[in-house]
Amino acid sequence: DSGVTQTPKHLITATGQRVTLRCSPRSGDLSVYWYQQSLDQGLQFLIQYYNGEERAKGNILERFSAQQFPDLHSELNLSSLELGDSALYFCASSPTGQNYQPQHFGDGTRLSIL
Amino acid sequence: ILNVEQSPQSLHVQEGDSTNFTCSFPSSNFYALHWYRWETAKSPEALFVMTLNGDEKKKGRISATLNTKEGYSYLYIKGSQPEDSATYLCACHMNSGGYQKVTFGIGTKLQVIP
Repeated sequence: DSGVTQTPKHLITATGQRVTLRCSPRSGDLSVYWYQQSLDQGLQFLIQYYNGEERAKGNILERFSAQQFPDLHSELNLSSLELGDSALYFCASSPTGQNYQPQHFGDGTRLSIL
Repeated sequence: ILNVEQSPQSLHVQEGDSTNFTCSFPSSNFYALHWYRWETAKSPEALFVMTLNGDEKKKGRISATLNTKEGYSYLYIKGSQPEDSATYLCACHMNSGGYQKVTFGIGTKLQVIP
């Protein structure tokens, strides 16, 4: 158990809808990362937060947004969903988000768009 | 575009054999290289974080080396066991346009045959 909690584990919805994925980092970790793994693709970095502030941004679509709240949990919002957004979304956390710190991954949220 | 490549993509070895795989990355603007072990139906688990040229890290039968000048890292497994069967991912943290980016390789899938 990594200590990182993601909910829900599975989500099925339709095109055009909006969903929110939630992540609670390990106790004491201030930084949260979001990743997407689509079929037959490697993990893609989406965005990183540290103590409520955006720290780094990867290939995150404009239809996607994220935030980190004062209690350090983070939410990834996906809107105007398309079939291609079906993927496994991971959250990871580290103590202060420095690149030399290992990241601890949650179990992921599997999003299926019908 | 930051290309992180791993080879081979898959590998079958007999129990007891030693093996190694490669992660190659652009050598400029490098911050850190992370190795992860990813078992099926689980989340990636951090193995090593390497930052300095010449770094060598070891955990049990698994070790890794880093060459930032030529842009590669090797992961070695000595005396492979069936429980080593997993996908091994590398992730490169680099500076891209003034921002830190994290790029994962596609992984090396290792199958250890009893």
